[in-house]
Amino acid sequence: DVKVTQSSRYLVKRTGEKVFLECVQDMDHENMFWYRQDPGLGLRLIYFSYDVKMKEKGDIPEGYSVSREKKERFSLILESASTNQTSMYLCASMGDRGRKLFFGSGTQLSVL
Amino acid sequence: AQTVTQSQPEMSVQEAETVTLSCTYDTSENNYYLFWYKQPPSRQMILVIRQEAYKQQNATENRFSVNFQKAAKSFSLKISDSQLGDTAMYFCALIGANSKLTFGKGITLSVRP
Repeated sequence: DVKVTQSSRYLVKRTGEKVFLECVQDMDHENMFWYRQDPGLGLRLIYFSYDVKMKEKGDIPEGYSVSREKKERFSLILESASTNQTSMYLCASMGDRGRKLFFGSGTQLSVL
Repeated sequence: AQTVTQSQPEMSVQEAETVTLSCTYDTSENNYYLFWYKQPPSRQMILVIRQEAYKQQNATENRFSVNFQKAAKSFSLKISDSQLGDTAMYFCALIGANSKLTFGKGITLSVRP
C-alpha cells in the first residue's frame, strides 16, 4: 500500500514564525499536492508538484511556498505564519498512471 | 478553470436505505477523471470510487455506484444498504491532464440507526 506520511498530526505556532510542514511518500509518485481544509470550504489546493524541483501554484498560494528537492519529499513553508493560516493541511501523492490520489493523515496547524 | 460543485451541505439516511449524493462539475477537457472521497471522523481521506470520463459504463464498487452523465456534467454517488460506518464527509473531485485535482466543498452524510 502507498504510504504518505506527514511529520506532525498537531502543530501550534506563533504569529510571524516560519513553519515547515513535511510530507514523504514511499511509492515513487511523480505528483504531490498540498491542500488546506476549512469547514464549509472543502479542500483547496495550495501548490502541487509534478516532478522534482517543479512546482505549480494552486488556487490559494498566497502566503505559502513549497520545496521539492527529492522525489519522495514535498515541503510546505509558511514564511511568516498568520492566524488566518490556522487550518488542517493535507498532503497527497499520485502516480502518472491510474490517477489515484493517496492522502496523508493531515496536520492540524494552529497559529496563535 | 475547472470547478466542482456540491450544493447539498448535509444529508441524513436511515440505516439499510439508499442515498444519492449529487455533484456537478465543469471542465474544458475531454479526458479527465472523477472521484468520490470519504472522510470519516478520523480525518483520513479514503478513495471510494473513480470514473474515467472516456468510459461510458458507470463505475461500481460493492455498495457504491455512480451515475455519470457526461453531457450534463453530473457525477452522483449512490450508496446502497447504508451502514453506520458510512457516516462521513464525502467529497467529489475532478482531475484533468494538467494533474490539478479540484475538490467540491463536501457533503456531510449521517446514517441513522
